[in-house]
Amino acid sequence: QKEVEQNSGPLSVPEGAIASLNCTYSDRGSQSFFWYRQYSGKSPELIMFIYSNGDKEDGRFTAQLNKASQYVSLLIRDSQPSDSATYLCAVPYGNNRLAFGKGNQVVVIP
Amino acid sequence: DGGITQSPKYLFRKEGQNVTLSCEQNLNHDAMYWYRQDPGQGLRLIYYSQIVNDFQKGDIAEGYSVSREKKESFPLTVTSAQKNPTAFYLCASRSGGGGELFFGEGSRLTVL
Repeated sequence: QKEVEQNSGPLSVPEGAIASLNCTYSDRGSQSFFWYRQYSGKSPELIMFIYSNGDKEDGRFTAQLNKASQYVSLLIRDSQPSDSATYLCAVPYGNNRLAFGKGNQVVVIP
Repeated sequence: DGGITQSPKYLFRKEGQNVTLSCEQNLNHDAMYWYRQDPGQGLRLIYYSQIVNDFQKGDIAEGYSVSREKKESFPLTVTSAQKNPTAFYLCASRSGGGGELFFGEGSRLTVL
């Protein structure tokens, strides 16, 4: 299995602040990257997909990809209580499979 | 609306019993997957199938079995050989060309 690392512990951010999440991956050949949001007790849902170096913005979410350094990050601007969730990084590998990191829990404090 | 339906949502099992989790999709996706999630953990791949009548083991296949007799259906059986089956089980599907993985709502299995 390809390695996808999300090492930081729970992240607490005040409402309105920026939450920053990082993900590193082991396979230099990986071409596309996914960020999923998972609320407690629910299934993951896709919030961002990126395949080119640089930034991709979608509303309050920005994904940043650096293939040379093998990391992809997710920024959540103007954090809201509804952003409190676990965020999973996913990287394709092998025959149409996705490897997931363990996730980063975000808690937005009103 | 297109989507993935998993049943049951909650299931309790006695030790030594086999149980089967249902997964049905109407997205016309070729690929289907079963993941297991434990508290504080990411998703671990149990089995996946790229096409009808074919499937491959994932990273934690021991104690599980699957079948893919129809494109729409990919049931997972948790056998008595699985020593620690209590977990949240997620079924997913994806088009053959890659892209987003769509998830069902999950099935939570508890062994009593």
